Amino acid sequence: AQTVTQSQPEMSVQEAETVTLSCTYDTSESDYYLFWYKQPPSRQMILVIRQEAYKQQNATENRFSVNFQKAAKSFSLKISDSQLGDAAMYFCAYMNRDDKIIFGKGTRLHILP
Amino acid sequence: DAGVTQSPTHLIKTRGQHVTLRCSPISGHKSVSWYQQVLGQGPQFIFQYYEKEERGRGNFPDRFSARQFPNYSSELNVNALLLGDSALYLCASSRQNSYEQYFGPGTRLTVT
Repeated sequence: AQTVTQSQPEMSVQEAETVTLSCTYDTSESDYYLFWYKQPPSRQMILVIRQEAYKQQNATENRFSVNFQKAAKSFSLKISDSQLGDAAMYFCAYMNRDDKIIFGKGTRLHILP
Repeated sequence: DAGVTQSPTHLIKTRGQHVTLRCSPISGHKSVSWYQQVLGQGPQFIFQYYEKEERGRGNFPDRFSARQFPNYSSELNVNALLLGDSALYLCASSRQNSYEQYFGPGTRLTVT
Protein backbone atom coordinates (compact mmCIF):
# COMPACT_ATOMS: atom_id res chain seq x y z
CA ALA A 1 0.00 0.00 0.00
CA GLN A 2 1.14 3.50 -0.72
CA THR A 3 2.08 5.75 2.19
CA VAL A 4 3.08 9.39 2.56
CA THR A 5 5.21 10.56 5.48
CA GLN A 6 5.75 14.13 6.64
CA SER A 7 8.24 14.09 9.49
CA GLN A 8 7.90 17.74 10.51
CA PRO A 9 4.64 18.37 12.42
CA GLU A 10 5.43 22.10 12.73
CA MET A 11 7.91 24.55 11.28
CA SER A 12 8.55 28.26 11.63
CA VAL A 13 10.26 30.67 9.28
CA GLN A 14 11.00 34.36 9.37
CA GLU A 15 9.09 36.47 6.89
CA ALA A 16 11.02 36.85 3.59
CA GLU A 17 13.20 33.82 4.37
CA THR A 18 13.20 30.41 2.67
CA VAL A 19 11.81 27.23 4.18
CA THR A 20 11.79 23.61 3.03
CA LEU A 21 9.11 21.11 4.00
CA SER A 22 10.02 17.43 3.77
CA CYS A 23 8.01 14.52 2.43
CA THR A 24 8.77 10.90 1.66
CA TYR A 25 6.48 8.35 0.12
CA ASP A 26 6.38 4.67 -0.57
CA THR A 27 5.00 3.03 -3.70
CA SER A 28 5.75 0.20 -6.07
CA GLU A 29 4.17 2.08 -8.96
CA SER A 30 6.24 3.84 -11.61
CA ASP A 31 3.53 6.19 -12.89
CA TYR A 32 2.02 8.52 -10.33
CA TYR A 33 1.54 12.14 -9.32
CA LEU A 34 2.71 14.07 -6.29
CA PHE A 35 1.17 17.21 -4.87
CA TRP A 36 1.54 19.79 -2.17
CA TYR A 37 -1.71 21.16 -0.84
CA LYS A 38 -2.15 24.16 1.44
CA GLN A 39 -4.98 24.29 3.97
CA PRO A 40 -5.38 27.67 5.70
CA PRO A 41 -7.68 28.14 8.71
CA SER A 42 -10.56 28.64 6.26
CA ARG A 43 -10.24 24.85 5.64
CA GLN A 44 -10.22 25.15 1.84
CA MET A 45 -7.68 22.71 0.42
CA ILE A 46 -5.67 24.57 -2.21
CA LEU A 47 -3.32 22.92 -4.69
CA VAL A 48 0.09 24.58 -4.45
CA ILE A 49 2.17 22.55 -6.87
CA ARG A 50 2.13 19.20 -8.68
CA GLN A 51 4.74 16.88 -10.11
CA GLU A 52 4.29 14.07 -12.59
CA ALA A 53 6.59 11.16 -11.73
CA TYR A 54 7.67 10.66 -15.34
CA LYS A 55 9.04 14.21 -15.49
CA GLN A 56 12.59 14.60 -14.24
CA GLN A 57 12.42 18.38 -14.13
CA ASN A 58 11.35 19.78 -10.78
CA ALA A 59 8.07 21.72 -10.83
CA THR A 60 8.06 25.43 -10.01
CA GLU A 61 5.17 27.81 -9.35
CA ASN A 62 6.34 31.33 -8.58
CA ARG A 63 7.82 31.23 -5.05
CA PHE A 64 7.11 27.51 -4.66
CA SER A 65 9.37 24.78 -6.01
CA VAL A 66 9.91 21.11 -5.35
CA ASN A 67 12.90 18.82 -5.11
CA PHE A 68 11.70 15.53 -6.56
CA GLN A 69 14.04 12.59 -6.00
CA LYS A 70 12.27 9.59 -7.54
CA ALA A 71 14.81 6.95 -6.57
CA ALA A 72 14.83 8.17 -2.98
CA LYS A 73 11.03 8.63 -3.03
CA SER A 74 11.44 12.12 -1.67
CA PHE A 75 9.36 15.18 -2.55
CA SER A 76 10.21 18.34 -0.63
CA LEU A 77 8.62 21.77 -1.00
CA LYS A 78 10.67 24.96 -0.93
CA ILE A 79 8.95 28.25 -0.25
CA SER A 80 11.06 31.30 -1.09
CA ASP A 81 10.48 34.83 0.20
CA SER A 82 7.98 33.57 2.78
CA GLN A 83 4.92 35.76 3.29
CA LEU A 84 2.46 36.00 6.16
CA GLY A 85 -0.22 34.55 3.88
CA ASP A 86 1.80 31.35 3.54
CA ALA A 87 0.95 30.37 7.11
CA ALA A 88 -1.15 27.20 6.89
CA MET A 89 -1.11 23.42 7.10
CA TYR A 90 0.76 21.91 4.19
CA PHE A 91 -0.04 18.41 3.03
CA CYS A 92 2.09 16.26 0.80
CA ALA A 93 -0.05 13.93 -1.30
CA TYR A 94 0.31 11.03 -3.72
CA MET A 95 -2.02 9.79 -6.44
CA ASN A 96 -1.69 6.94 -8.91
CA ARG A 97 -3.97 6.02 -11.77
CA ASP A 98 -6.91 5.07 -9.54
CA ASP A 99 -7.38 8.78 -8.72
CA LYS A 100 -7.38 8.18 -4.98
CA ILE A 101 -5.27 10.80 -3.21
CA ILE A 102 -3.24 9.66 -0.23
CA PHE A 103 -2.27 12.48 2.10
CA GLY A 104 0.46 12.82 4.70
CA LYS A 105 -0.35 14.04 8.20
CA GLY A 106 0.66 17.59 7.40
CA THR A 107 3.15 20.22 8.49
CA ARG A 108 1.92 23.36 10.18
CA LEU A 109 3.91 26.33 8.90
CA HIS A 110 4.21 29.48 11.01
CA ILE A 111 5.49 32.72 9.48
CA LEU A 112 7.23 35.00 11.97
CA PRO A 113 6.94 38.74 11.22
CA ASP B 1 -17.15 29.40 -12.83
CA ALA B 2 -18.27 28.49 -9.32
CA GLY B 3 -16.04 26.16 -7.36
CA VAL B 4 -17.03 22.97 -5.59
CA THR B 5 -19.81 23.68 -3.13
CA GLN B 6 -20.78 21.68 -0.08
CA SER B 7 -23.71 21.85 2.29
CA PRO B 8 -24.23 22.27 5.11
CA THR B 9 -21.18 24.13 6.38
CA HIS B 10 -21.53 22.82 9.90
CA LEU B 11 -23.84 20.43 11.66
CA ILE B 12 -24.17 18.76 15.00
CA LYS B 13 -25.65 15.30 15.39
CA THR B 14 -26.18 12.85 18.24
CA ARG B 15 -24.70 9.36 18.41
CA GLY B 16 -26.85 6.85 16.54
CA GLN B 17 -28.36 9.41 14.19
CA HIS B 18 -28.01 9.53 10.42
CA VAL B 19 -26.49 12.37 8.37
CA THR B 20 -26.47 13.35 4.70
CA LEU B 21 -23.81 15.64 3.29
CA ARG B 22 -24.10 17.20 -0.15
CA CYS B 23 -21.63 18.23 -2.80
CA SER B 24 -21.95 20.02 -6.13
CA PRO B 25 -18.97 19.68 -8.45
CA ILE B 26 -17.52 22.30 -10.74
CA SER B 27 -19.50 22.55 -13.96
CA GLY B 28 -18.16 20.02 -16.46
CA HIS B 29 -16.61 17.79 -13.82
CA LYS B 30 -18.05 14.29 -13.81
CA SER B 31 -15.98 12.75 -11.00
CA VAL B 32 -16.58 13.37 -7.30
CA SER B 33 -14.50 12.09 -4.40
CA TRP B 34 -15.16 12.22 -0.67
CA TYR B 35 -12.55 12.50 2.07
CA GLN B 36 -12.72 12.47 5.86
CA GLN B 37 -10.32 14.74 7.75
CA VAL B 38 -10.11 14.11 11.46
CA LEU B 39 -8.69 17.00 13.49
CA GLY B 40 -4.92 17.11 13.25
CA GLN B 41 -4.68 14.55 10.45
CA GLY B 42 -4.55 14.54 6.69
CA PRO B 43 -7.70 13.73 4.71
CA GLN B 44 -8.53 10.06 4.17
CA PHE B 45 -10.22 8.79 1.02
CA ILE B 46 -13.77 7.49 1.46
CA PHE B 47 -15.36 7.17 -2.00
CA GLN B 48 -14.98 8.13 -5.62
CA TYR B 49 -17.83 8.31 -8.11
CA TYR B 50 -17.65 8.79 -11.85
CA GLU B 51 -20.69 8.94 -14.12
CA LYS B 52 -22.86 7.76 -11.20
CA GLU B 53 -20.79 4.62 -10.72
CA GLU B 54 -18.62 3.90 -7.67
CA ARG B 55 -15.02 3.72 -8.84
CA GLY B 56 -13.25 3.42 -5.54
CA ARG B 57 -13.87 2.92 -1.85
CA GLY B 58 -11.55 3.52 1.08
CA ASN B 59 -11.28 1.57 4.30
CA PHE B 60 -14.52 2.75 5.88
CA PRO B 61 -17.36 0.68 7.38
CA ASP B 62 -20.62 -0.02 5.59
CA ARG B 63 -22.25 2.74 7.64
CA PHE B 64 -20.77 5.06 5.04
CA SER B 65 -22.45 5.17 1.65
CA ALA B 66 -22.65 7.61 -1.22
CA ARG B 67 -24.29 8.18 -4.53
CA GLN B 68 -23.98 10.45 -7.53
CA PHE B 69 -26.91 11.98 -9.37
CA PRO B 70 -27.43 12.59 -13.12
CA ASN B 71 -26.30 16.21 -12.66
CA TYR B 72 -23.06 14.83 -11.09
CA SER B 73 -23.82 16.18 -7.64
CA SER B 74 -23.23 13.73 -4.84
CA GLU B 75 -24.42 12.78 -1.38
CA LEU B 76 -22.47 11.12 1.40
CA ASN B 77 -24.58 9.28 3.96
CA VAL B 78 -23.42 8.08 7.34
CA ASN B 79 -25.67 5.87 9.48
CA ALA B 80 -25.50 5.06 13.19
CA LEU B 81 -23.14 7.95 13.90
CA LEU B 82 -20.28 7.41 16.33
CA LEU B 83 -18.28 10.00 18.23
CA GLY B 84 -15.32 9.08 16.02
CA ASP B 85 -17.20 10.24 12.92
CA SER B 86 -16.67 13.83 14.05
CA ALA B 87 -14.52 15.33 11.30
CA LEU B 88 -14.31 17.68 8.35
CA TYR B 89 -15.77 15.99 5.28
CA LEU B 90 -14.26 17.20 2.04
CA CYS B 91 -15.60 16.77 -1.45
CA ALA B 92 -13.41 17.09 -4.54
CA SER B 93 -14.32 17.10 -8.21
CA SER B 94 -12.27 16.50 -11.33
CA ARG B 95 -12.61 16.23 -15.08
CA GLN B 96 -12.47 12.90 -16.87
CA ASN B 97 -8.91 11.55 -17.02
CA SER B 98 -7.55 14.50 -15.08
CA TYR B 99 -5.31 14.08 -12.08
CA GLU B 100 -6.19 17.47 -10.67
CA GLN B 101 -8.89 17.44 -8.00
CA TYR B 102 -10.56 20.63 -6.81
CA PHE B 103 -11.73 20.66 -3.22
CA GLY B 104 -14.77 22.23 -1.65
CA PRO B 105 -14.73 24.07 1.67
CA GLY B 106 -15.91 21.02 3.59
CA THR B 107 -18.67 20.18 6.04
CA ARG B 108 -17.72 20.16 9.71
CA LEU B 109 -19.64 17.33 11.43
CA THR B 110 -19.71 17.14 15.20
CA VAL B 111 -21.20 14.06 16.84
CA THR B 112 -22.12 14.41 20.52
